[in-house]
Amino acid sequence: AQSVTQLDSHVSVSEGTPVLLRCNYSSSYSPSLFWYVQHPNKGLQLLLKYTSAATLVKGINGFEAEFKKSETSFHLTKPSAHMSDAAEYFCVVTPNTGTASKLTFGTGTRLQVTL
Amino acid sequence: GAVVSQHPSRVICKSGTSVKIECRSLDFQATTMFWYRQFPKKSLMLMATSNEGSKATYEQGVEKDKFLINHASLTLSTLTVTSAHPEDSSFYICSAREGTGLSNQPQHFGDGTRLSIL
Repeated sequence: AQSVTQLDSHVSVSEGTPVLLRCNYSSSYSPSLFWYVQHPNKGLQLLLKYTSAATLVKGINGFEAEFKKSETSFHLTKPSAHMSDAAEYFCVVTPNTGTASKLTFGTGTRLQVTL
Repeated sequence: GAVVSQHPSRVICKSGTSVKIECRSLDFQATTMFWYRQFPKKSLMLMATSNEGSKATYEQGVEKDKFLINHASLTLSTLTVTSAHPEDSSFYICSAREGTGLSNQPQHFGDGTRLSIL
């Protein structure tokens, strides 16, 4: 069994300040973890992925996430927010092996960026 | 990067009609594609897993006769909403898994289809 908890449904930051979107996971298996971003009326875009290699993962648009097994966390960070980062962000978990496993989505975090 | 194209982006039609949504992987082959439904301000709900050359696997509570899925080639899956009613109005998103099809390969998503049934 697996599950994802995104601890904040809504995060608001000022442009130019750091972003932290929190994600905790639970998995019976060694997990693969992903962060996706969704802009209004659009599909999901992959930001980054962790699949058992380096624990600090760098993604697109300056985002990165660190896999911490001891804390079962995979928080998403960015040093300096930009207005274009305003969107919905989903943390996703799936087992690291096999072919039949589905994605388990968190409930999403809406990031608001203010001037 | 891997691109998934979904068409149409928006459909408005009368109750009782059938609507077909196409999902194409443009630069990679996908033996497995997925269909999701997203309600306003909610996360994605998996409806079914589409397997090339075989029957789709539907999630519990999803009517397979209502939501017909066909995956006739390695780059195309279609979802047909039959005899659509207003409660079928939603945002439908497809995705395709790249590479070897292993679960740890990322899924790439289409831009979604906004379906409105009057």
